[in-house]
Amino acid sequence: EPEVTQTPSHQVTQMGQEVILRCVPISNHLYFYWYRQILGQKVEFLVSFYNNEISEKSEIFDDQFSVERPDGSNFTLKIRSTKLEDSAMYFCASSEGRGNYGYTFGSGTRLTVV
Amino acid sequence: ELKVEQNPLFLSMQEGKNYTIYCNYSTTSDRLYWYRQDPGKSLESLFVLLSNGAVKQEGRLMASLDTKARLSTLHITAAVHDLSATYFCAVEGETSGSRLTFGEGTQLTVNP
Repeated sequence: EPEVTQTPSHQVTQMGQEVILRCVPISNHLYFYWYRQILGQKVEFLVSFYNNEISEKSEIFDDQFSVERPDGSNFTLKIRSTKLEDSAMYFCASSEGRGNYGYTFGSGTRLTVV
Repeated sequence: ELKVEQNPLFLSMQEGKNYTIYCNYSTTSDRLYWYRQDPGKSLESLFVLLSNGAVKQEGRLMASLDTKARLSTLHITAAVHDLSATYFCAVEGETSGSRLTFGEGTQLTVNP
């Protein structure tokens, strides 16, 4: 079964550093998403991406965050200057289309900011 | 703003028993998803419910959707230890594009 692949599985970074989280969505999927889950809490939407641009973002997705699809297969989330409160599990997801297609989630990247 | 509430948040049950997890949401939607998450792991898709009255079953789990009541249920029949996990419902609101709004999750523990 096709998978969404995320790397790294765990990243530890110092406060103020930039991190890039990487995702390879399923190849025929057109919509891409980032969600995050702070330990013990619910999953929160960050951003959706379609046709090489952001289609929707949440209030969490402020100026320190950016997304990119640099080469037609990878989908990245960059956090410019990490804060302690950015520590969370970050999930990438992809979907074939909008509507009745469902979403496939990756295995996640655990980001720890120290 | 779409709100999604699950209850209970914690559920401890014995093997062999039945129970229902409830998911209420605040605005119109006809697309609701149930996911399972094991500790430290990703979200495994369980059910996709796409219309009012939809009912889906897989093994000991059955999910239903009532869009008029804005309610979905996840029913567990004759629970086994392997079902221990956190279960999330997620709603795709009509006006929120394709983003999912998740409930807080129900942490299920099935005791032998």
